[in-house]
Amino acid sequence: AQKVTQAQTEISVVEKEDVTLDCVYETRDTTYYLFWYKQPPSGELVFLIRRNSFDEQNEISGRYSWNFQKSTSSFNFTITASQVVDSAVYFCALSETAGANNLFFGTGTRLTVIP
Amino acid sequence: EPEVTQTPSHQVTQMGQEVILRCVPISNHLYFYWYRQILGQKVEFLVSFYNNEISEKSEIFDDQFSVERPDGSNFTLKIRSTKLEDSAMYFCASSELGGRSTGELFFGEGSRLTVL
Repeated sequence: AQKVTQAQTEISVVEKEDVTLDCVYETRDTTYYLFWYKQPPSGELVFLIRRNSFDEQNEISGRYSWNFQKSTSSFNFTITASQVVDSAVYFCALSETAGANNLFFGTGTRLTVIP
Repeated sequence: EPEVTQTPSHQVTQMGQEVILRCVPISNHLYFYWYRQILGQKVEFLVSFYNNEISEKSEIFDDQFSVERPDGSNFTLKIRSTKLEDSAMYFCASSELGGRSTGELFFGEGSRLTVL
């Protein structure tokens, strides 16, 4: 069965600090996809990244970076030099199908960036 | 930028009433989804829809729920007889080609349903 664990319920950091959001997953499939979504106070879900299980290369996009490690079943998300606009709930999700028909979401981590 | 739009943004209803939540997916997308988020909890998959039929559904999506694409643009979620526990934010999403192209589901801003 699939499971996504985001152990950090809430994190507060001061602006410009770096912050890492943890995500640990469980799956029996050898082919799976991992996602991060951002949910700002306005409520919508904003796609950040998808990573497939065959690609362990870390990715950097501006101030965002992701560290995928199959050995520890983790897909952590780091925000460098955090900004107030980064304040949101961040969800990690897992799909066992290429089409992402059925995303299993973690419980989310609420990040508050204090100015 | 194209977006998924949902109406209403908030609906309050009495227990036992029927509710229809509406979504307009992105026009060239072929796969459509409904997810829900009970307040303060995680987002949960309800159903996916492709080629005018349900392709997958979760245990939550029981006989009280139905989906329809009545006119080629709208994608609706109907709850036949609402219960208190149906109170949640309902998200519609769409994707191209089952998400294989980018893996990205485009979510709407959600419809908040409050059942009294």
